[in-house]
Amino acid sequence: QVQLVQSGAEVQKPGASVKVSCKASGYTFTNYGISWVRQAPGQGLEWMGWISAFVGNTNYAEKFQGRVTMTTDTSANIAYMELRSLRSDDTAVYYCARSSALISWFDPWGQGTLVTVSS
Amino acid sequence: DIQMTQSPSTLSASVGDRVIITCRASQSISDWLAWYQQKPGKAPKLLIYKASSLQIGVPSRFSGSGSGTEFTLTISSLQPDDFATYYCQQYSSYPPLTFGGGTKVEIK
Repeated sequence: QVQLVQSGAEVQKPGASVKVSCKASGYTFTNYGISWVRQAPGQGLEWMGWISAFVGNTNYAEKFQGRVTMTTDTSANIAYMELRSLRSDDTAVYYCARSSALISWFDPWGQGTLVTVSS
Repeated sequence: DIQMTQSPSTLSASVGDRVIITCRASQSISDWLAWYQQKPGKAPKLLIYKASSLQIGVPSRFSGSGSGTEFTLTISSLQPDDFATYYCQQYSSYPPLTFGGGTKVEIK
């Protein structure tokens, strides 16, 4: 079955970086893209950006431009999201989700990775 | 950015009730709208795409309607497994893709 499995929880200090991975299985990885969505504690969903697994081109939300980098390893069917210069308000659960194109719905989602930013 | 506004933010209902959740877009998004269900501590799950298309495996008690700026998600007969938070998402315009603020369906 189509599945996205993310890396484990992280605790980082303010100013540090975090890199979350998302391993895909059950489908042809390069036929789809991956979006990243985050959810702060008790809050709603916020789209961060998208990467085409085939071409590798990206589209980031303006809010994260300059701080986020999304990449893929097509040999291992893994997508990565790196967020730099972490602040306390970056504390959130980060989800990867499959999408057929940049402008699309998301299905399925990974299980989520909790990133805690604390000194 | 296209703003998505859901109402109500919280809804109390009983098993068997018909439940309607509304999502409004700040500008026309045609039918480029999806609905998700999220349970505590879990990832969102796709229910509806293209405003009214039911995702495979989703019970038929869920239905979506609307176009332009007004959309609804209807649960025809609320089941115990349906108590969760529901989000709409527009994919008409980017960046960014945007979500509604969520509607929590609670037990009455």
